[in-house]
Amino acid sequence: GNSVTQMEGPVTLSEEAFLTINCTYTATGYPSLFWYVQYPGEGLQLLLKATKADDKGSNKGFEATYRKETTSFHLEKGSVQVSDSAVYFCALGVITGTASKLTFGTGTRLQVTL
Amino acid sequence: DADVTQTPRNRITKTGKRIMLECSQTKGHDRMYWYRQDPGLGLRLIYYSFDVKDINKGEISDGYSVSRQAQAKFSLSLESAIPNQTALYFCATSALGFSEQFFGPGTRLTVL
Repeated sequence: GNSVTQMEGPVTLSEEAFLTINCTYTATGYPSLFWYVQYPGEGLQLLLKATKADDKGSNKGFEATYRKETTSFHLEKGSVQVSDSAVYFCALGVITGTASKLTFGTGTRLQVTL
Repeated sequence: DADVTQTPRNRITKTGKRIMLECSQTKGHDRMYWYRQDPGLGLRLIYYSFDVKDINKGEISDGYSVSRQAQAKFSLSLESAIPNQTALYFCATSALGFSEQFFGPGTRLTVL
């Protein structure tokens, strides 16, 4: 079956530090890959996505590249801010027939300090 | 206004009570989903629906039921709540042919 593995947190960084959150996946077929972000007390928001191999998703300074050869979709940001403190979820999505299914990783909490 | 709304946002109830969580969406999507989120476990799918006539069980449907009253409304019920159903519950929607899902703000449910 499909599965997503992401690095355990919490990840604690100083403001302006470089961020990497690792995500690897196992899937049959050709999934789309997503990063969702959950700010404290809120629901999940789509941060970025990539729908095929070698695509790069980007948004708000975050980037992730769909690497089929390493089955990875690592999230990166060059300079984090305190406002980036949140829980980040990697997910893969597949469509089989009329079914749209998302499989989530367990989430990585990021804490950015001044 | 939010595209996906959930009511209530917080609920505290007692063991054995029947609880209904409601979800409404204005995105015009056919597909709707209910998930629960537990610390360290990510999100797990409870039920999903592709239209008002189609309901499907997810990976953790035991103890839950759903009703799709209209294209825009999808309710989750706990017939007899138990403490291990204490969790954060999310509703989500997606459009036909797309795997991306859009989430509501969540309902925090506590069962005492």
